[in-house]
Amino acid sequence: AQKVTQAQTEISVVEKEDVTLDCVYETRDTTYYLFWYKQPPSGELVFLIRRNSFDEQNEISGRYSWNFQKSTSSFNFTITASQVVDSAVYFCALSDVFFGNEKLTFGTGTRLTIIP
Amino acid sequence: KAGVTQTPRYLIKTRGQQVTLSCSPISGHRSVSWYQQTPGQGLQFLFEYFSETQRNKGNFPGRFSGRQFSNSRSEMNVSTLELGDSALYLCASSSRQANTEAFFGQGTRLTVV
Repeated sequence: AQKVTQAQTEISVVEKEDVTLDCVYETRDTTYYLFWYKQPPSGELVFLIRRNSFDEQNEISGRYSWNFQKSTSSFNFTITASQVVDSAVYFCALSDVFFGNEKLTFGTGTRLTIIP
Repeated sequence: KAGVTQTPRYLIKTRGQQVTLSCSPISGHRSVSWYQQTPGQGLQFLFEYFSETQRNKGNFPGRFSGRQFSNSRSEMNVSTLELGDSALYLCASSSRQANTEAFFGQGTRLTVV
């Protein structure tokens, strides 16, 4: 069975600080996909990144970076120089189906509050 | 390009009633997935439809059902509503192609009283 654990329920940091959101996953499959989504108060889930299990390359996109480590089954997300607009609930998700985007198993989310 | 549209946005129903929620995917997307989000259980996968056929199913009772039309629009139905069905129901559309992501709608907030 698949499982995604986001141990940090809530995090608060002062604006411009760096913050890392942790994600640990469990799966028996050798091919799987990992995602991060952001959920602002409006409710919709906003896609941030997708990573395939065979691609352990870390990724940086502006102030966002992701560290994927298969050895520890972790896919952590770091926001550098946080801004108030980053305040939201962040979800890590896992999928083992063929295309990877049609059935997601989500973690419980981390509520991030950026204090101005 | 229009996003994923879910209607209605808010709904209040009485226990025992049934409800139908609608989701119009992004143009060209033929896969629609449904999720239930509650404070207690988090985000849980309900089912996925592709080409009018249910392709994947989560662990929900038979009271939860869905369908997809030839234009890829999807509906989900919940019969004999229970208080615990109160949730935000999100739908996601995707093209079911490699290296693509699912796009989510803003959801339907269902309250059962």
